[in-house]
Amino acid sequence: GENVEQHPSTLSVQEGDSAVIKCTYSDSASNYFPWYKQELGKRPQLIIDIRSNVGEKKDQRIAVTLNKTAKHFSLHITETQPEDSAVYFCAASILQGAQKLVFGQGTRLTINP
Amino acid sequence: DAGVTQSPTHLIKTRGQQVTLRCSPKSGHDTVSWYQQALGQGPQFIFQYYEEEERQRGNFPDRFSGHQYPNYSSELNVNALLLGDSALYLCASSLDRITSYEQYFGPGTRLTVT
Repeated sequence: GENVEQHPSTLSVQEGDSAVIKCTYSDSASNYFPWYKQELGKRPQLIIDIRSNVGEKKDQRIAVTLNKTAKHFSLHITETQPEDSAVYFCAASILQGAQKLVFGQGTRLTINP
Repeated sequence: DAGVTQSPTHLIKTRGQQVTLRCSPKSGHDTVSWYQQALGQGPQFIFQYYEEEERQRGNFPDRFSGHQYPNYSSELNVNALLLGDSALYLCASSLDRITSYEQYFGPGTRLTVT
């Protein structure tokens, strides 16, 4: 069945440095890859997404890259700030029918001041 | 513009009981998906409702059932509760359009089974 592997499970970086989280998906039919940020006790929030016809997408300090051949996609956060501390989840989906999201296990990102 | 809402916020039930969780989608959305999030894990897809029918189901037993109403709101029912059903239950709403596919989550219902 579909599977999404995410690593690292925890990541600690100094404020102002960059953070990178990586995911690998198993279903080659997947064509939509969103990233969610979940703060403690809060709902997952969609922060950026990418479709398979695009290799990279940026939104201010956040970027996502996709390598379809290797079935890898990554989240890059630059100039990290304390409010970036949260759990980040990657997901993969097929944009047809139910479009169910298959999530990775999550990365707990801590920004140290 | 109202976001996704869920009720109740928290719920404590005993093994063997039944529970109903409710979800109202974001204004303009017609599709509701339910996910189970165990502590420290990513959300797992339970099922999705569109046009008042279950469109796809994840790897969950028949004890998990649902319903969607004409106003697009949805319910998740779980029968014969087990301790392992303790989790955060999230609903996500979306629009069934190939050009508009983002799923937005509600705040969740924290279910504790004792």
